[in-house]
Amino acid sequence: GENVEQHPSTLSVQEGDSAVIKCTYSDSASNYFPWYKQELGKGPQLIIDIRSNVGEKKDQRIAVTLNKTAKHFSLHITETQPEDSAVYFCAATLYSTLTFGKGTMLLVSP
Amino acid sequence: NAGVMQNPRHLVRRRGQEARLRCSPMKGHSHVYWYRQLPEEGLKFMVYLQKENIIDESGMPKERFSAEFPKEGPSILRIQQVVRGDSAAYFCASSPSGAYDTEAFFGQGTRLTVV
Repeated sequence: GENVEQHPSTLSVQEGDSAVIKCTYSDSASNYFPWYKQELGKGPQLIIDIRSNVGEKKDQRIAVTLNKTAKHFSLHITETQPEDSAVYFCAATLYSTLTFGKGTMLLVSP
Repeated sequence: NAGVMQNPRHLVRRRGQEARLRCSPMKGHSHVYWYRQLPEEGLKFMVYLQKENIIDESGMPKERFSAEFPKEGPSILRIQQVVRGDSAAYFCASSPSGAYDTEAFFGQGTRLTVV
């Protein structure tokens, strides 16, 4: 089955800096890659996603890139703000179920 | 339009008791997924259900765990004879279709503690 690795496990940045989270997946047939943000005590919330026929997608301060050859995808957050502090999960899917990475705790200091 | 509703939010059970977790999907959603999250871990897929049918239960332990999504009412994840290792957060997600690229909306989770 699919296996998703996510790095780093924790990331501390200063407000205004950029943050990058990287994931790799094992099954080359996976075709959909969402990113979720989870705040303390809450369920995950989709923040951006990318399909396998697209190399890059951007939504305001958030962007995701996908390298199918390397089976690698990344989340980029620019101009970070304290409210961006949360745990971020990458995921990959082949059919309908999601395989998640272990998460990255992002801490944005004012 | 209310989001995915899970109850209870917190559940404490003694070893050997049964735990019953409920999930009401978003209105118009007929596909439900259950995930388990252990501390410091990502979410692990357990089971995928459509109304009255189990589509994929490959992530669910063979013993003590069962799930259903009846024609009427919420989806239920049942854990019989709970053990301490069952302590985790259980999340339900719903989507309007089973297409691979359909957004799954998550509930707030049920945090199960086995004492």
